[in-house]
Amino acid sequence: DAKTTQPNSMESNEEEPVHLPCNHSTISGTDYIHWYRQLPSQGPEYVIHGLTSNVNNRMASLAIAEDRKSSTLILHRATLRDAAVYYCILRNNYGQNFVFGPGTRLSVLP
Amino acid sequence: GAVVSQHPSWVICKSGTSVKIECRSLDFQATTMFWYRQFPKQSLMLMATSNEGSKATYEQGVEKDKFLINHASLTLSTLTVTSAHPEDSSFYICSALDRGKTNEKLFFGSGTQLSVL
Repeated sequence: DAKTTQPNSMESNEEEPVHLPCNHSTISGTDYIHWYRQLPSQGPEYVIHGLTSNVNNRMASLAIAEDRKSSTLILHRATLRDAAVYYCILRNNYGQNFVFGPGTRLSVLP
Repeated sequence: GAVVSQHPSWVICKSGTSVKIECRSLDFQATTMFWYRQFPKQSLMLMATSNEGSKATYEQGVEKDKFLINHASLTLSTLTVTSAHPEDSSFYICSALDRGKTNEKLFFGSGTQLSVL
């Protein structure tokens, strides 16, 4: 499985943008970049995913480097409810498992 | 987004008893479901992959006779922890794979906190 590297933790102030980085230097051409987040005592929830182009949805934006070896999840205005562990996962569409690394624990300060 | 329902949310049982956890995909058919367990402050660890109509595939180190998985329909998978012991106490999470039009996404249940006394 292609691996990802994320910072262990990050802090943000409420209502400010947050940029969560993910390095994936061994990504293959067919790997999609998925982001999930897990709030305390809950199952993970899907945030966003992309292949090559930047993606936007109502939750976040995903910026993918031109060489695809890194990506950044962008929360445009952090709220207290965004405090969670954010996981960056690579996966192709050929039955590969979703492998979760340690993720980034995001704290949002009021 | 898609909804995956997991029950029960929490269960307390005596050592030696068996516990069944249900995972349902409510608005899509899931030929593949995954079962994870998670210890406090740690990441999710994949236990097994459940495919509808066939035997589950277990990860290395996971006892298939202890963690029985059944995926009898396209919307339901169950995990039974047999003869549970205190070391089986953990947060168990199921997920269902939605093979959408463009690519696959994973949707998770809310998890089951198992405490074995």
